[in-house]
Amino acid sequence: DIQMTQSPSTLSASVGDRVTITCRASQSLSSWLAWFQQKPGKAPKLLIYKASTLESGVPSRFSGSASGTEFTLTISSLQPDDFATYYCQHYDNYLYTFGQGTKLEIK
Amino acid sequence: EAHLVESGGGLVRPGGSLRLSCAASGFTFSSYWTSWVRQAPGEGLEWVANINQDGSEKYYVDSLKGRFTISRDNAKNSLYLQMNSLRAEDTAVYYCARIVAAAGTWDVWGQGTTVTVSS
Repeated sequence: DIQMTQSPSTLSASVGDRVTITCRASQSLSSWLAWFQQKPGKAPKLLIYKASTLESGVPSRFSGSASGTEFTLTISSLQPDDFATYYCQHYDNYLYTFGQGTKLEIK
Repeated sequence: EAHLVESGGGLVRPGGSLRLSCAASGFTFSSYWTSWVRQAPGEGLEWVANINQDGSEKYYVDSLKGRFTISRDNAKNSLYLQMNSLRAEDTAVYYCARIVAAAGTWDVWGQGTTVTVSS
């Protein structure tokens, strides 16, 4: 099974900062990689799918990229609404795997 | 607007059973694969199971095979999760979610229903 290692587990940043969250796969995989944002007590919200495609309605400050087995989520300029937990998620042959999550905190 | 609403959660004793339901509205339910995803208190997300449009294909996370069963009733626009032999570690918020096949992920989620397994 493919394992997804997400880092960092916690990230402290300020409004206006540029931040990057990384998800590394245990083996080479396709671009079936998505990123979700989750706030306490709420369902996850899809941000990016197929590694770099922005979901409709998601602000353009969010972007995704892939390089080999490493996938990144970048927020270009943090806004107060962006402080949340972020998860990567991989799909392969009808099976789904999440990363462990990154909690983005206000510095 | 597509909408999913879970129900059926509650407190159950270890070894007991529970059936979760998910009511879909605002889209053609029978055209989509759907899933259950869970989240234990303070923990991350865990995919549980998928079912295809007509219920003929089902996939489960390995750790739950044999205890949980996913099903659907397209006439009622509903998804179900039958959970048997429940354990304390099954305590979680259970979400139903709609799969977008072309994206390999979920675009619509319910608000979740809480299952607590405790004596």
